Formats: sequence, C-alpha cells, structure tokens
Amino acid sequence: QSVLTQPPSASGTPGQRVTISCSGGTSNIGSNYVYWYQQLPGTAPKLLIYRNNQRPSGVPDRFSGSKSGTSASLAISGLRSEDEADYYCAAWDDSLSGVVFGGGTKLTVL
Amino acid sequence: QLQLQESGPGLVKPSETLSLTCSVSGVSIISRSYCWGWIRQPPGKGLEWIGSLDYSGGTYYNPSLRSRVTISGDTSKNQFSLKLRSVTAADTAVYYCARSSFGELSQFDPWGQGTLVTVSS
Repeated sequence: QSVLTQPPSASGTPGQRVTISCSGGTSNIGSNYVYWYQQLPGTAPKLLIYRNNQRPSGVPDRFSGSKSGTSASLAISGLRSEDEADYYCAAWDDSLSGVVFGGGTKLTVL
Repeated sequence: QLQLQESGPGLVKPSETLSLTCSVSGVSIISRSYCWGWIRQPPGKGLEWIGSLDYSGGTYYNPSLRSRVTISGDTSKNQFSLKLRSVTAADTAVYYCARSSFGELSQFDPWGQGTLVTVSS
C-alpha cells in the first residue's frame, strides 16, 4: 500500500480535460513539493511536473499541476491518444526520511 | 547531453546479492548540484524508491530496504552502484537509475532506460 494515494484508473475522450488526484499527509504533500511522472507503455518514467506546478521544458502546457493542503492534482486538457500512460505522483516524506510514490494511475483515452 | 545507463546481471539467485551499476555521461557525479538515485518497478506494479547518493558520498535509503542496501559511487569511472543483499523473488523488478537535484531528492530527471532483474534459482 502506497503512502500517496492515487485512483488506479482514469479515462477520457480526445479533447476532454481529465484530472488525477494524489492524496497524502502532513509529512509529505503537506510540507514538501509534489512531482508528477508520466510512464508511456514499455518506457522509463519521465518528469512531467516539478515543484507542484512547474513544467520542464518540452512538456506541453496541456499538463498542469496543483497542490492544496495534503492533496495534489494533475490536469490534462485537450486529451490526446498519446497521453495514454501511467501517471505517478511523488514527494519527500519527512517522517520516513525518504521519497514516496503514489501507486500510479492508468489513463485510458477512449 | 546527460545520459544514464544501467548494467548488471539479469538473473540473480535467491539469498544472493544483486549488483547493478549506472554509468553517467554528460555530467560529473560529484557535481554539487545533483544526487543520484535508484528506483525499481516490479512487473505490472508501481514505482518504489530504493535510495540516493549525493555528491559527497552521503546516502539516503528507503527505510524498508535500508538493512539490505548499499549505494556507492566510483568517481574515476563516473558511475554509481547498487547492492541489494539477500534477495528474494519479491525483489524481481525493473531497476532504474536517475539523477535528482540536491535538496529535491524526489525530482528524478532524467532516468535510465531500466534493466530487468529476475530473482530465481
């Protein structure tokens, strides 16, 4: 069982906006930055969002991150078929003194 | 351009030690700006942080694996390594190495392509 909680699945049709939630606690999301990773099928994860809501260069502005209290969200607007992937949130946990990941959300583009 | 590449045996026997190396090109592993981490992913499952190494040789380990893990660096080869002792089938996974920022250990970018390690007799 992961320290950060994500829904196991999400779906949407092309062009739609979808959001993926990540729930934690005061020792992780509540007091540290949240990061999001995209893992396309058969590939290594890729950094998608850093410091809650910052996009690395090359990441489309269709992807956005937000954080409120002990929860965070990843939003994908203008959904495309190539967005079909697994998405993971991550944060540092002060109590565990380590990096914790969410269990991952499999996004299906219908 | 920064690149990371994992290498090591793809098959390890139960109770033995899993040893992997990550070769880094494009930046020195003793750069004060960065840390170097290992993350694993069992088949069909999610990501698990194993541990990280900073520029001075300082280490940070997942509490659940701390008793079995050692991460170290070889500055002469610009590589860092993972040793996981007393492995079982539960340690079967794709093992990734990745760079993170010093002070932001959760920010892994980029990642190596990963290497599958199977624990089986």
